[in-house]
Amino acid sequence: GAVVSQHPSWVICKSGTSVKIECRSLDFQATTMFWYRQFPKQSLMLMATSNEGSKATYEQGVEKDKFLINHASLTLSTLTVTSAHPEDSSFYICSARGQGYSPLHFGNGTRLTVT
Amino acid sequence: RKEVEQDPGPFNVPEGATVAFNCTYSNSASQSFFWYRQDCRKEPKLLMSVYSSGNEDGRFTAQLNRASQYISLLIRDSKLSDSATYLCVVDTGTASKLTFGTGTRLQVTL
Repeated sequence: GAVVSQHPSWVICKSGTSVKIECRSLDFQATTMFWYRQFPKQSLMLMATSNEGSKATYEQGVEKDKFLINHASLTLSTLTVTSAHPEDSSFYICSARGQGYSPLHFGNGTRLTVT
Repeated sequence: RKEVEQDPGPFNVPEGATVAFNCTYSNSASQSFFWYRQDCRKEPKLLMSVYSSGNEDGRFTAQLNRASQYISLLIRDSKLSDSATYLCVVDTGTASKLTFGTGTRLQVTL
């Protein structure tokens, strides 16, 4: 089945540093990738939709200058959390979708802890 | 009205029970529907797509009711390992965006 690889699985960083998270679709071309954030015991929250070759579309309340998204190819999207603060600590998950109305496939998530 | 609504639960059922969840959606133009399962501190995993004619996969049966705009998931002979959060996912009328319900928590007990 379709596989989405997300790295790193977990990261601990100091306040003020930037963290890059990669999301790759391994066996299909993903024209659209999505980035989510999930706090403990809460539902997934869509942060942005990433389209290959164009600017990402951010959801209301998500700072585009803080969460930089780059979708450089049909198989790779990256999310960079810039100048991270402790309140950015969360579980970040990417997902990718192939053509048409196919299901979403999720990466295994990145647990970010900012100290 | 929320685009996708689910009862958050938790549903506590004994092993071997049959349990059903519903999920309502507001956009009548929605074309694709899915059930995902999410374990604690893990990413969601696709459980099954939901087709107009209804579909079954082992102990799991999914149904779509377009007239009433809801989908359902039926789990028969519940196992302890079925304990998880079940997410309903619906496209919002465009192929590029899917909306998640908040999830229904299922706890299967001995």
